[in-house]
Amino acid sequence: IAGITQAPTSQILAAGRRMTLRCTQDMRHNAMYWYRQDLGLGLRLIHYSNTAGTTGKGEVPDGYSVSRANTDDFPLTLASAVPSQTSVYFCASSVSSGEQETQYFGPGTRLLVL
Amino acid sequence: GQNIDQPTEMTATEGAIVQINCTYQTSGFNGLFWYQQHAGEAPTFLSYNVLDGLEEKGRFSSFLSRSKGYSYLLLKELQMKDSASYLCAVRDSDYKLSFGAGTTVTVRA
Repeated sequence: IAGITQAPTSQILAAGRRMTLRCTQDMRHNAMYWYRQDLGLGLRLIHYSNTAGTTGKGEVPDGYSVSRANTDDFPLTLASAVPSQTSVYFCASSVSSGEQETQYFGPGTRLLVL
Repeated sequence: GQNIDQPTEMTATEGAIVQINCTYQTSGFNGLFWYQQHAGEAPTFLSYNVLDGLEEKGRFSSFLSRSKGYSYLLLKELQMKDSASYLCAVRDSDYKLSFGAGTTVTVRA
């Protein structure tokens, strides 16, 4: 059982470049999330999807876009990367977005934008 | 907006007990979670509280007081492998999680 996988593990990216972070889960979870984690700030929600075909904005959505074409995949795209997007990005999923649903996290992608 | 506060760092000795406090002010409340995160790894679920009181899971316990906007995570019989960051997270009225910055616990021999 893989759970949640993310790719790439790490990436160095030139500012202005486009980048897609991949996230795949094999648990048939309906809800998926993207967070960024920065030192001293904790995890902050970027975008989420309660079910395939729907997405929503989190706390820090600017500069990012997502799509949810199917249940398993939830890619995060940086259209034109900026240095402030240097962070560790975690994808998470839960059975649903309702009560008592625990979120499970992927291993993370470490992104450095120069 | 959400405001979740927890201490930045704590240090304790192997075999001891440590209590990590978390206070919150959020728009609505639908439960509080504690996650453990080892350096360079993903957060992993530890506990969930939605009603007032204590939830015990082996060496770890979590307490919630909704009226005070307060929770704590209690780690007993500390082991070296418990050295990690502990994240307090509150689920708001939209069922979204807001995280505190995390408390780094260092266990010394």
